[in-house]
Amino acid sequence: KAGVTQTPRYLIKTRGQQVTLSCSPISGHRSVSWYQQTPGQGLQFLFEYFSETQRNKGNFPGRFSGRQFSNSRSEMNVSTLELGDSALYLCASSLAGFSGNTIYFGEGSWLTVV
Amino acid sequence: AQTVTQSQPEMSVQEAETVTLSCTYDTSENNYYLFWYKQPPSRQMILVIRQEAYKQQNATENRFSVNFQKAAKSFSLKISDSQLGDTAMYFCAFIPSGAGSYQLTFGKGTKLSVIP
Repeated sequence: KAGVTQTPRYLIKTRGQQVTLSCSPISGHRSVSWYQQTPGQGLQFLFEYFSETQRNKGNFPGRFSGRQFSNSRSEMNVSTLELGDSALYLCASSLAGFSGNTIYFGEGSWLTVV
Repeated sequence: AQTVTQSQPEMSVQEAETVTLSCTYDTSENNYYLFWYKQPPSRQMILVIRQEAYKQQNATENRFSVNFQKAAKSFSLKISDSQLGDTAMYFCAFIPSGAGSYQLTFGKGTKLSVIP
């Protein structure tokens, strides 16, 4: 069974631009969540989606947004990029998002803002 | 709010030896789940082991086992017979059980190096 797939794996953007990252969950998984990983802040929760609805959002500015499609695939968007947005963005999926379900991660999308 | 603390930023162990990584957490929840994730240089987070707080028995997965002390809010990971492939960052993570809890809270991680 294929794992969580994230695209693109690496990208470089300029300050002020916007970026869209994509995540395909494991087949049958309906919950998708996103995390930002930086050396300074560690792993921080961005948001979680289930059945196209955002159920939970972390403490990030409104420039960070996401959505989930009917096939459970998810995208996250960051507008007006800042240097501090440079990070590894990890997508994770689970069956239903209930805390008892194991959460599986993708390999991440490396974003560099210059 | 929950917090997870990993007090050892870096550790090293000789191949075939045993090493224990520490994790403490703070929560007012009574029911929750704890996890150890491994992040090798490839950066993919891989689940190593999980523990349900309501279970007294410590979880084990092959060479990996935990020492879960609920009263002390401690959740350490023991790696036996360390292998070179165990070299990675290890993250302890917490999630409350029940509806409305969909996010993992991670510690800062412990960088483990296995020395040949």
